[in-house]
Amino acid sequence: EVQLVESGGGLVQPGGSLRLSCGASGFLFGGYWMSWVRQAPGRGPEWVAHIRDDGSTSTHVESVRGRFIISRDNAKNSLYLQMNNLRAEDTAVYYCAREIVGGLVDLDYWGQGTLVTVSS
Amino acid sequence: EIVLTQSPGTLSLSPGERATLSCRASQSVTSHSLAWYHQKPGQPPRLLIYGASNRATGIPDRFSGGGSGTDFTLTISRLEPEDFAVYYCQQSSTFGPGTKVEIK
Repeated sequence: EVQLVESGGGLVQPGGSLRLSCGASGFLFGGYWMSWVRQAPGRGPEWVAHIRDDGSTSTHVESVRGRFIISRDNAKNSLYLQMNNLRAEDTAVYYCAREIVGGLVDLDYWGQGTLVTVSS
Repeated sequence: EIVLTQSPGTLSLSPGERATLSCRASQSVTSHSLAWYHQKPGQPPRLLIYGASNRATGIPDRFSGGGSGTDFTLTISRLEPEDFAVYYCQQSSTFGPGTKVEIK
């Protein structure tokens, strides 16, 4: 059974940092592109970033470029999102998700999400 | 940047009825990058259709997708109680604003 479990969310002050993790199981993690998607309260999903199966390439949405970095460790079946210089508008539930077709951001499995709240 | 528009904003229907949801892109997109999801409160989105017309694993055949260019459609042939949710279309990294399908 495919499982994705996010962790690392919490309350952080504006300008602070957090590192989110996503543990994967039930599939060959190193064979899939992976994404982070966030959803602010009462809003629709917003794609944040994705990374190639071997970790060699990544893309971030413009609103987080230069502040967030997606990475992965295939030996540990883990995906990460380093978030720096956080802003109030980054408050959201953050999901990790698997891409069914690498690079196309069609997301067939999602975790349950971890809540990030940016507030003073 | 491509903008997706979904209509209607809310669709009020009864179980057993047919639902037709529309997704329009601001410019022509490739069908293989068009997907549909639904989301229930407190849950992550669930992939229904990818590549405009391919059902994801475990999705019943009452769900079907079609369209090309700038206009795409998700059809639910007969609504089941578990189908009442918010539906999002997605083109690559862009999600639409959603259509809420509610019980009439």
